[in-house]
Amino acid sequence: NAGVMQNPRHLVRRRGQEARLRCSPMKGHSHVYWYRQLPEEGLKFMVYLQKENIIDESGMPKERFSAEFPKEGPSILRIQQVVRGDSAAYFCASSPQGLNTEAFFGQGTRLTVV
Amino acid sequence: DQQVKQNSPSLSVQEGRISILNCDYTNSMFDYFLWYKKYPAEGPTFLISISSIKDKNEDGRFTVFLNKSAKHLSLHIVPSQPGDSAVYFCASGPDAGNMLTFGGGTRLMVKP
Repeated sequence: NAGVMQNPRHLVRRRGQEARLRCSPMKGHSHVYWYRQLPEEGLKFMVYLQKENIIDESGMPKERFSAEFPKEGPSILRIQQVVRGDSAAYFCASSPQGLNTEAFFGQGTRLTVV
Repeated sequence: DQQVKQNSPSLSVQEGRISILNCDYTNSMFDYFLWYKKYPAEGPTFLISISSIKDKNEDGRFTVFLNKSAKHLSLHIVPSQPGDSAVYFCASGPDAGNMLTFGGGTRLMVKP
């Protein structure tokens, strides 16, 4: 049973480009959470999704950021018109039920905006 | 407003001794507390948890203590091993909730 898979592991984007981060949850998990870790800081919750639904996006910036978890395929975190301040490690976690306390994390995608 | 705080950004301990990592929280609604361990370039991995109905939970070398009146929890690692060197995050949330709030992390270095 593969763990939570995130790709790419490293992503470099120029200012103004779009970044798409992918997360394939563990088999059998239908709940996905995205967290962001800024340099020298802890993990900050961004969004919680269930298949085809956004359950809680209270941690997501209102502009430029969006997330989806379609019926088929991975969850996508999309950042439009990236700025240098978006540079961070983005972690995805999944759980079998809507309990973040049972979530398993992926290895993260490190986004660098140049 | 930091609801979960780890006031020590780093801690250095000799191999074989005890490591004590501390965490304070402010939200009285938090009922569930977890510790995650993170190596560089990897995602956090779950280490140990405790529910607010308990004041201690033990798993091998790892013990978590919860003082609910002080809104404080700590992770004890004994004996510490060089492989324990990592960043440790404290996290908490409402019981069965869907969002965890993380502390800023403490970098533990265990010297051989």
